[in-house]
Amino acid sequence: TQLLEQSPQFLSIQEGENLTVYCNSSSVFSSLQWYRQEPGEGPVLLVTVVTGGEVKKLKRLTFQFGDARKDSSLHITAAQPGDTGLYLCAGAIFQGAQKLVFGQGTRLTINP
Amino acid sequence: DSGVTQTPKHLITATGQRVTLRCSPRSGDLSVYWYQQSLDQGLQFLIQYYNGEERAKGNILERFSAQQFPDLHSELNLSSLELGDSALYFCASSPSASRDEKLFFGSGTQLSVL
Repeated sequence: TQLLEQSPQFLSIQEGENLTVYCNSSSVFSSLQWYRQEPGEGPVLLVTVVTGGEVKKLKRLTFQFGDARKDSSLHITAAQPGDTGLYLCAGAIFQGAQKLVFGQGTRLTINP
Repeated sequence: DSGVTQTPKHLITATGQRVTLRCSPRSGDLSVYWYQQSLDQGLQFLIQYYNGEERAKGNILERFSAQQFPDLHSELNLSSLELGDSALYFCASSPSASRDEKLFFGSGTQLSVL
């Protein structure tokens, strides 16, 4: 069974601070996806990282895939209240068909 | 709006009952995925269909079944419902069944079993 440990589970910080969310596993994934989920809605894909060591930036969000493709991080610079939400990492395993293994999620609250 | 439509949005039923959740994928998408989201388990993959055929199976109970119809919409049937089946059920779709494909999620069906 592939497990994806996401930490922290809850994070509440002030506007303007920086933060990092971690996603770790003992399994190797073909890719790692990060989603954001708002209350009452389904997850929305933010980014997919595919290559070990890959770094992708989306405005103030920086995503990194570990060299061994077992872990990933999401760093947010100068967090804003609009960043509040549930962030989910998902590791993709392809065995004839793609399966996504989701982490438990990080519930992020940015206080004005 | 992801383009994936799920109905109903909310469903309240009693233990032992059977319900059907419906999903219409994005126009042109051939793959449909079903996920269950609960507070203690997070998002759990249940099953995937591609162009009408079952493609992958996850942690789906024997009391649950699904199918994808020729028009590509999908239904998830949950029977002999238990209190623990209360959860958010999401459908997602993607264009094909390729590696590292992007999934588009619907808004979910909130199932409450009383």
